[in-house]
Amino acid sequence: AQSVTQLGSHVSVSEGALVLLRCNYSSSVPPYLFWYVQYPNQGLQLLLKYTSAATLVKGINGFEAEFKKSETSFHLTKPSAHMSDAAEYFCAVTFSTGGGNKLTFGTGTQLKVEL
Amino acid sequence: DAGVIQSPRHEVTEMGQEVTLRCKPISGHDYLFWYRQTMMRGLELLIYFNNNVPIDDSGMPEDRFSAKMPNASFSTLKIQPSEPRDSAVYFCASSLSASGSYEQYFGPGTRLTVT
Repeated sequence: AQSVTQLGSHVSVSEGALVLLRCNYSSSVPPYLFWYVQYPNQGLQLLLKYTSAATLVKGINGFEAEFKKSETSFHLTKPSAHMSDAAEYFCAVTFSTGGGNKLTFGTGTQLKVEL
Repeated sequence: DAGVIQSPRHEVTEMGQEVTLRCKPISGHDYLFWYRQTMMRGLELLIYFNNNVPIDDSGMPEDRFSAKMPNASFSTLKIQPSEPRDSAVYFCASSLSASGSYEQYFGPGTRLTVT
């Protein structure tokens, strides 16, 4: 069964510091991977996605993620955190064969940005 | 496009009452998903439809929950009778299989409070 694990339910960084949110997936077939962001009292918004093209994926708001098959990871990074990045971030996975359009979400990581 | 539309945005009801949540997916999308989000359980997939047909309802917690999709532009999630433990934010999402990318677009959610 497909799954994702997000390490760290809460991450705190200083404004201007590097943001690193971790996601590892479990899969026996090539995965499609996603990062979503949820701001308070809003729905989930797609940040970026990996669909078997370039392994380094750039998304909105300066975020990027790198697909590493050998490590089964898809960590999310941003070089310099901004106060507006404070939100909850979800990693999700599906598969091109048999996965349909159903996504399996991680448990989320709450990002706090401090002055 | 207006995105996924959900109504109402907030619902407060008393235990035992019937609650109906509504969703209009993005025009042309052929998949529709209902999720529930709580602090304790995180984001849970309740049921999803493909071309108006329920594909997997294994996430529906009890027989008190039912979902329908009478046409491609409308879906409902009904709880009857409602209980305090049903209090949560309910999200609807839609996706387009022809896009080949499997990304889901989320609505703003309905915050349900059962007293």
